[in-house]
Amino acid sequence: DAGVIQSPRHEVTEMGQEVTLRCKPISGHNSLFWYRQTMMRGLELLIYFNNNVPIDDSGMPEDRFSAKMPNASFSTLKIQPSEPRDSAVYFCASSWGTGGPYEQYFGPGTRLTVT
Amino acid sequence: GENVEQHPSTLSVQEGDSAVIKCTYSDSASNYFPWYKQELGKGPQLIIDIRSNVGEKKDQRIAVTLNKTAKHFSLHITETQPEDSAVYFCAAYNNNDMRFGAGTRLTVKP
Repeated sequence: DAGVIQSPRHEVTEMGQEVTLRCKPISGHNSLFWYRQTMMRGLELLIYFNNNVPIDDSGMPEDRFSAKMPNASFSTLKIQPSEPRDSAVYFCASSWGTGGPYEQYFGPGTRLTVT
Repeated sequence: GENVEQHPSTLSVQEGDSAVIKCTYSDSASNYFPWYKQELGKGPQLIIDIRSNVGEKKDQRIAVTLNKTAKHFSLHITETQPEDSAVYFCAAYNNNDMRFGAGTRLTVKP
């Protein structure tokens, strides 16, 4: 059974460009999470969806960041315009269940470098 | 909000020895405490978890203990092997919010 799938695995872009990160959660899971990992701040929750609806986006750093989940099998995290301080590894995770908490399974991550 | 502290930041042990990693949390409402192992270039992998109504849980060579009164929980790895070398993260979950510790880099020397 495939785990959480993320693409691209690596992204290098110039400051000011739009970046779109993609995630396919584990089939049957109904919750999806976007995290950012940096050396300085560790793992931070950016946004959480349940049944395709954004529940908590308080971790989104600023308006340049947006996330969507158009259906149960796909989500995107967009940064527009990107800045060098956005360089990090972005992880998507998914889980199943309602009323939480439930085990979260992480994807392999997208390493973003903004020059 | 929740604050999770993890110690030590680095830990080096000899193969076959035990390793213990400790975490404290601040929000008494937190009710789920997973541990993740992250290898280089990979995403965190859930290795064991414990819920607030349980004091201890064991799975082969790994065990987790939880002291709700003191608000701390620990990961114990026995008979360590070189493949246990990785960064380990603890986390505390409350109301859809998962907060992670800063991580412990474990090195098991053969």
